[in-house]
Amino acid sequence: GQQLNQSPQSMFIQEGEDVSMNCTSSSIFNTWLWYKQDPGEGPVLLIALYKAGELTSNGRLTAQFGITRKDSFLNISASIPSDVGIYFCAGRGQGAQKLVFGQGTRLTINP
Amino acid sequence: EPEVTQTPSHQVTQMGQEVILRCVPISNHLYFYWYRQILGQKVEFLVSFYNNEISEKSEIFDDQFSVERPDGSNFTLKIRSTKLEDSAMYFCASTPIGLAWGATEAFFGQGTRLTVV
Repeated sequence: GQQLNQSPQSMFIQEGEDVSMNCTSSSIFNTWLWYKQDPGEGPVLLIALYKAGELTSNGRLTAQFGITRKDSFLNISASIPSDVGIYFCAGRGQGAQKLVFGQGTRLTINP
Repeated sequence: EPEVTQTPSHQVTQMGQEVILRCVPISNHLYFYWYRQILGQKVEFLVSFYNNEISEKSEIFDDQFSVERPDGSNFTLKIRSTKLEDSAMYFCASTPIGLAWGATEAFFGQGTRLTVV
């Protein structure tokens, strides 16, 4: 089945640093999404990407939909303590309802 | 802001027992979904539901699972005979129209933590 490989699995950074994480797939997706999950909570959508090559920002977050439709990255600039959490990429194939999630990147920030 | 609500927040059940997880999707939404997340792992799709029938399901969603929209507001997931490996967070989600048609993305509930002992 479709799988997403997300890296890195975890990151330990200093407050104020920039963060970059990415997802790759062996199959094509028509939609790429990035979610954040806090402990005991459901995923919250950060950015949605619908076109190959699309670059979208949401405040300090920037995400891109890869040209090949098989990858996406998320950047967080000038990290702050509330950025701590697990970030998931998710993709959706042509005509599909389901989202396929990556394994997540756990972000820890040292003040 | 409207939200998807799930009850209970935590359910403990004995192996072999039936459980029903409940969700109230956002009121004008038409498509409903269940996902699960085993502790420390990724979120996995279980099933999507539209117009009182299943529109898509994963291989995880076997005969032990069923979904129902018993009235105009609730959407339920039933596990007939729970197994230890069913222990997970179960998330409900909803959208106003089908995701495959470029609709706004799914809104997720807070989840129900199911513990099978």
